[in-house]
This record gives sequence, C-alpha cells and structure tokens, in this order.
Amino acid sequence: QKEVEQNSGPLSVPEGAIASLNCTYSDRGSQSFFWYRQYSGKSPELIMFIYSNGDKEDGRFTAQLNKASQYVSLLIRDSQPSDSATYLCAVNTGGFKTIFGAGTRLFVKA
Amino acid sequence: GAGVSQSPSNKVTEKGKDVELRCDPISGHTALYWYRQSLGQGLEFLIYFQGNSAPDKSGLPSDRFSAERTGGSVSTLTIQRTQQEDSAVYLCASSPPTGSSTDTQYFGPGTRLTVL
Repeated sequence: QKEVEQNSGPLSVPEGAIASLNCTYSDRGSQSFFWYRQYSGKSPELIMFIYSNGDKEDGRFTAQLNKASQYVSLLIRDSQPSDSATYLCAVNTGGFKTIFGAGTRLFVKA
Repeated sequence: GAGVSQSPSNKVTEKGKDVELRCDPISGHTALYWYRQSLGQGLEFLIYFQGNSAPDKSGLPSDRFSAERTGGSVSTLTIQRTQQEDSAVYLCASSPPTGSSTDTQYFGPGTRLTVL
C-alpha cells in the first residue's frame, strides 16, 4: 500500500461546478497535510495546508481533514478553466519528511 | 525576493557520465529538499538537509546518488554513472527555519535530466 494515495484522474468538471479531490494516507501519526497545484511543465505551488480535523477555507478552496478515516480532501468551488492542473496531496509524517501522492489531474471545461 | 533557483534548467547526458545539479535556496531558509519527478508521476523524496544536522538520505535510490550542501546554503546533487532510468525532473525545495511541521516548501523550477 502506498503511503499517500490519490486517484490519478483525470477528473473533469464543467466551469462553475465544485471539484472534489481526495487523498488517503497510511501513517496514523501524520501531523500535517498539504495541497499543492502543479501546472504542466511547472513546479508545485502550495494552495493550503491543514493539521486539525474539520474544514479549512481559503477563498474558493476548502481543505477537509478526517484523521480517524485517514483522508484529506480539497474542494474547489466555482471551478475555472485556470484551475486545470495536477493537484498533489502531501503528508508530513513527523519531523521534516513529507510524502507526496502521485497527484490527480483536473480538467475544468469552459 | 528571489525564489529557489536551479541550474541547469535542462541537461542531456550520455549513459555512464556523471552530472551535477545545483540548487540555490531562498535566503534564510535552513531546510532544503531534493525530489525526483518522473513523467506523469508524483514527487519522489531523495534527500533533506536541515541546518548543520546530518542530512536525511533515506530517499536516495542508489549509491550513485549523493548530495552536499555547502555553508548551509547552496546544494549540489551528483549522479554518477548515469543510467537511462535516471531521466526525470529533479526538483529542489526550501522551507523556513521555524522547524514546524506545517512549514511550506517553496520549489525551484527544476532541472530536466535526459540520459541518452
């Protein structure tokens, strides 16, 4: 079992819809969780991080964390074509080591 | 301010040659990471430096890979006797010195390595 798992997609949603990206992790001791966005040919850039159970909202983005079920999700409201990218889930397993998932490709259709 | 920089941006080499990849972290960032990303794949952790502590080398795939960080700043990743499976984008990231598990990693533009 991979330490951080994501559906590779592609996930296709129409413009204006809610995109839901999911991630599960295997290490129950994981402390913090990150969502990065990576455009094709570019480097990852942080969207947001979360470390407490529940929801964390930042603009059109909401991260959701459920430690008991070992999953973290990212919701993108009012999806735009410019949101089309690969979204990487990353999990800090303690100390400074961060494990990245393989990413989910998102397409937002205009 | 300046972000993380990496050089070269592209490197094409022949199988069996050695290559050196360079990373300049953001000034003041004490943590530095190297990752490898193969086409369509996620990020594979290679090595991590934090200040003057011994590096975490647990992700290095073989003894052909090594890295050093001089003066707590610039880092060089060296791959000896390159193989075709080493072809990938090598990404460097740095993070602030707070030491928190929520520290954001800031990525450089990467070096695309192609081994012929």
